[in-house]
Amino acid sequence: EVQLLESGGGLVQPGGSLRLSCAASGFTFSSYDMHWVRQVTGKGLEWVSSIFSSGYTYYPDSVKGRFTISREVAKNSLYLQLSSLRAGDTAVYFCARGGYCTGGTCSVMDVWGRGTTVTVSS
Amino acid sequence: EIVMTQSPATLSVSPGERATLSCRASQSVSSNLAWYQQKPGQAPRLLIYGASTRATGIPARFSGSGSGTEFTLTISSLQSEDFAVYYCQQYNNWASTFGQGTKVEIK
Repeated sequence: EVQLLESGGGLVQPGGSLRLSCAASGFTFSSYDMHWVRQVTGKGLEWVSSIFSSGYTYYPDSVKGRFTISREVAKNSLYLQLSSLRAGDTAVYFCARGGYCTGGTCSVMDVWGRGTTVTVSS
Repeated sequence: EIVMTQSPATLSVSPGERATLSCRASQSVSSNLAWYQQKPGQAPRLLIYGASTRATGIPARFSGSGSGTEFTLTISSLQSEDFAVYYCQQYNNWASTFGQGTKVEIK
C-alpha cells in the first residue's frame, strides 16, 4: 500500500526550529517529486516546498530562507527543516507525492499523508 | 505568483442535484489544473488533474473542464459523501498555488 506518514510536529517558541519527517512506503521513493503543503486550521492549502527527483528544491517567498526541504533515499524519508518560526507558521503540515507529471513538473499531488501539527507560540 | 480564485465560497446543494464549482487563474495556466476534495480532519484527495482527467478510482460523476484561466468542476449528482471542501491547484510551473476553497454543503 502506498503510504506517507508525517511526524515531528509540536509546540515551539517564536524564533525556534523544528524538523518534520515524512516516511514513505509502497512506492519507489527516489523516482518521485515530493512536496510539503500546510493548512492553517479552518483555512485553505498553501504549498511550502518541493524537492524534485533531480534534487532541485523550490520554495515560495513566504518561507524561502527559513525552511529547507531534503530527502534521504536510503531511508525513504522526506524532511522539512523549519527555522525562524513565526506565529503565522502554525498549521498542519502535509507531505505529498507528485504523482502526475506535465510540462516538466510533477506537482499533481496524488498521495498525501495525514499531516503533523506545528504550533508556534510562547 | 499566480492567484487562484474559487467561487462561490459556499454552495448549498440538495443530494442528487448537480453542483458546479468555478476556479479562475490570474494568468493562463494552460491545462495545468487539479481539483482536490477535503473532508474535515482528513488530508486532501486528488480528484482531477490536467483540468479534465479523473484520478484513479474517482467516480464518473466528477468531471472537470476548462483551460487557460477559467475552470469548472462539476459533480453531476451529489451523493452524501460528496459534501466537503473542494480546492483547485495550478501547477503551471514549479510554484503551485491553491484556491481558497469552495465548501459544498447540504441544502
